Amino acid sequence: NAGVTQTPKFQVLKTGQSMTLQCAQDMNHNSMYWYRQDPGMGLRLIYYSASEGTTDKGEVPNGYNVSRLNKREFSLRLESAAPSQTSVYFCASSVRAETQYFGPGTRLLVL
Amino acid sequence: TQLLEQSPQFLSIQEGENLTVYCNSSSVFSSLQWYRQEPGEGPVLLVTVVTGGEVKKLKRLTFQFGDARKDSSLHITAAQPGDTGLYLCAGGEGFKTIFGAGTRLFVKA
Repeated sequence: NAGVTQTPKFQVLKTGQSMTLQCAQDMNHNSMYWYRQDPGMGLRLIYYSASEGTTDKGEVPNGYNVSRLNKREFSLRLESAAPSQTSVYFCASSVRAETQYFGPGTRLLVL
Repeated sequence: TQLLEQSPQFLSIQEGENLTVYCNSSSVFSSLQWYRQEPGEGPVLLVTVVTGGEVKKLKRLTFQFGDARKDSSLHITAAQPGDTGLYLCAGGEGFKTIFGAGTRLFVKA
């Protein structure tokens, strides 16, 4: 039982490059989330998927797209990376929004 | 727009001391959560408080939800080095959870 897994753990991109962050959970949770964490700002919700087949914008969705591939997997795509997207990205899953389980994070540096 | 403000931002104490950290808002929340995050890892849920005035205890940690459900506190008794970490409060409506910026606690042996 791995919980929430994220790949890759680290990534360096050049401005304008694209990439997809992968997230998978094995807890049979309906809901999944993507957050970014920046120094002094806590975690901010980018997108969430309340259930398989649905996705909705969070607080900071600009520059990102998501895909809920199936119940287990929720990916985050940066189409044209910008330095402002340098951050640590966390995926989470839950049965109820009040109890979220987080992955270990992806550290992204955009040059 | 709901906001959660946490104080202090940083706290460095000696092992054995007591401490309290705060999470405040001008908005009413149906529930608030406390998470702890260690370096290089994702946050881990400690507790959810739901009822105004509620007090929950988790070993040496005591969590309180304000009567008006706008604020919460976390009190640690006899802090240990293992308590070191970033403490985050969170809350929201539906799936749109917001997080405070956190209190970074360092407990020196």
